[in-house]
Amino acid sequence: DAKTTQPPSMDCAEGRAANLPCNHSTISGNEYVYWYRQIHSQGPQYIIHGLKNNETNEMASLIITEDRKSSTLILPHATLRDTAVYYCIVRVARYNQGGKLIFGQGTELSVKP
Amino acid sequence: EAQVTQNPRYLITVTGKKLTVTCSQNMNHEYMSWYRQDPGLGLRQIYYSMNVEVTDKGDVPEGYKVSRKEKRNFPLILESPSPNQTSLYFCASSLKGSTNLYQETQYFGPGTRLLVL
Repeated sequence: DAKTTQPPSMDCAEGRAANLPCNHSTISGNEYVYWYRQIHSQGPQYIIHGLKNNETNEMASLIITEDRKSSTLILPHATLRDTAVYYCIVRVARYNQGGKLIFGQGTELSVKP
Repeated sequence: EAQVTQNPRYLITVTGKKLTVTCSQNMNHEYMSWYRQDPGLGLRQIYYSMNVEVTDKGDVPEGYKVSRKEKRNFPLILESPSPNQTSLYFCASSLKGSTNLYQETQYFGPGTRLLVL
């Protein structure tokens, strides 16, 4: 699975958009980009995933560059409850190797009033 | 409500005293796994199970056992706990996709914080 690089920390003002970048320059054509977050030692929570196209759901948007070497998670209107560690994970959906997620160090997002 | 539950949530024990951390999911998921989380090391997979009676080692299986006798339950067993197993443990589950690829979304339990003295 490709390695990802994320900034260790970011700040965002409440109500503004939070844009969290992720570099995955060695990504392969069949690898997906996933985002999870972990709020203060709770269980990680799935946010969104994508392969090539931009994706949007009720929580966030995922923008993947055309060459797929980087992506950005966008929280459109950040709230204090979005303060968490955000993990960008790249992996192939495999059958025989289970669904193991390889968590890096992530980005610690602090949303401030 | 769809969820993964773990018990106990907090546990303090002594070296060598066998313990079991239970994990249960109500989503009829085939795939279940255990992770441990340690400062500076992130989350690492201990064991996983692709279905009933099918289990396999993850990255850090030493000192742990698991069983999958029922689809909904996946207990983690520490036969002889040691201080280096002090950690935060998470159970996770997901569907197995109809195309034999695993569903991308994994659901995590709330965590079990274990201290081994």
